[in-house]
This record gives sequence, structure tokens and C-alpha cells, in this order.
Amino acid sequence: DSGVTQTPKHLITATGQRVTLRCSPRSGDLSVYWYQQSLDQGLQFLIQYYNGEERAKGNILERFSAQQFPDLHSELNLSSLELGDSALYFCASSTRDRGEQFFGPGTRLTVL
Amino acid sequence: QQQVKQSPQSLIVQKGGISIINCAYENTAFDYFPWYQQFPGKGPALLIAIRPDVSEKKEGRFTISFNKSAKQFSLHIMDSQPGDSATYFCAARRQGGKLIFGQGTELSVKP
Repeated sequence: DSGVTQTPKHLITATGQRVTLRCSPRSGDLSVYWYQQSLDQGLQFLIQYYNGEERAKGNILERFSAQQFPDLHSELNLSSLELGDSALYFCASSTRDRGEQFFGPGTRLTVL
Repeated sequence: QQQVKQSPQSLIVQKGGISIINCAYENTAFDYFPWYQQFPGKGPALLIAIRPDVSEKKEGRFTISFNKSAKQFSLHIMDSQPGDSATYFCAARRQGGKLIFGQGTELSVKP
């Protein structure tokens, strides 16, 4: 157990809908990262927050957004969902901006 | 454009054997190279990591070998066990904390 928690574990929704994925970092970790894992694209970095501020951005779609709250938990919002958005979404956290990253158990999103 | 290339895609090793997974990178701005282990239905777990100023790092049965001039690094698993059967990912870090992952190697250790 890495200490990173993610909810929900599974999410099934329809195309066009909007969902929110939640991540609680390890106690004391200031940095949160979001990754998408799919069979065709592998593990892809989406976005990083450090102490509430956006730090780095990957190939995140405009339909996706994220934020980190004052209590350091983070949410990833996915809107206008498409079939191709079906994937595993992982959150990771680290103590500092460039520290070792520890991954949560993931949220499996299925878009029907 | 894939910046970290990993091979082989799959690997079968007998119990007690040595598993070797290789990665090559293109960007010299990378400054940290971790390996992750992932079991089905679980998140990636940090296994071992190395910085480019070190040529080798060993932790238990796991060793990373790093060749900066060739821009290659590899994971060696000594005395491989069936419990090591998992998918292994190499990664490289740049631009703050962003990790760029290889495509993964599915390791199967036969008893």
C-alpha cells in the first residue's frame, strides 16, 4: 500500500457525460501527478500540481481539467467523454516537486 | 514521439534465472531513471531508481545498470522468482516531476 488513495475504484458512464476522479496523496506529500494508462498509449503523464499550483502539463486534452485543493487532495475532471477515454487513471504523489513518485491503485473508467 | 524505448515486450524466465529488461532514451535532459513494477489490477510500485552520475545501483536482487554515453539503462533481476511475474516499466524524468514511461515488459517466471 503506497498511502495514496483514489476514488472511485471503478466508474462506468456514457459518452458525453462528465466525471470526477479523486486522489488523496500520502500524508505530507505536496505534489500530485495524474497519469492515464491505456493499452495503445501506455502510461501517459497528464498534469502535475505542487502545493496547489499547476506545475507541469502533458498531453492533457482540453476536455480534461484538474485542481489541487488546500488540503492537498486533487480532482481530475473529464468532460464530454468519448469511448477512447476508457482507461485506467492513476494519481501519484511525492514529498516535493521532483521527488520519488508513489502511485495510487487507480480508477478504471469505462465509457459506453 | 516515444522518448523512452523498452525491450523486450515480454520475457519468460525460469525460476532462479536472471531477468534482463533494457531501456534506451533520447533526451539528455533526463535526470532520474526509476523502474516500476505493476501487478494486474494494481498501481505501479516504485522498485529502484538511479541518477545519471551513477553507473550501477543494487537493491537486493534488483540491479540497475546505467550507460550515460549510450543513453541506455537496464534492470537485472537475479534469482528470479514466480512472485516477480509482473509488468515492469522503466521511466525517465524531465521538466519538473513529469515521468516518461517505456511501453512495459511483461515478465513471466516459470517454476
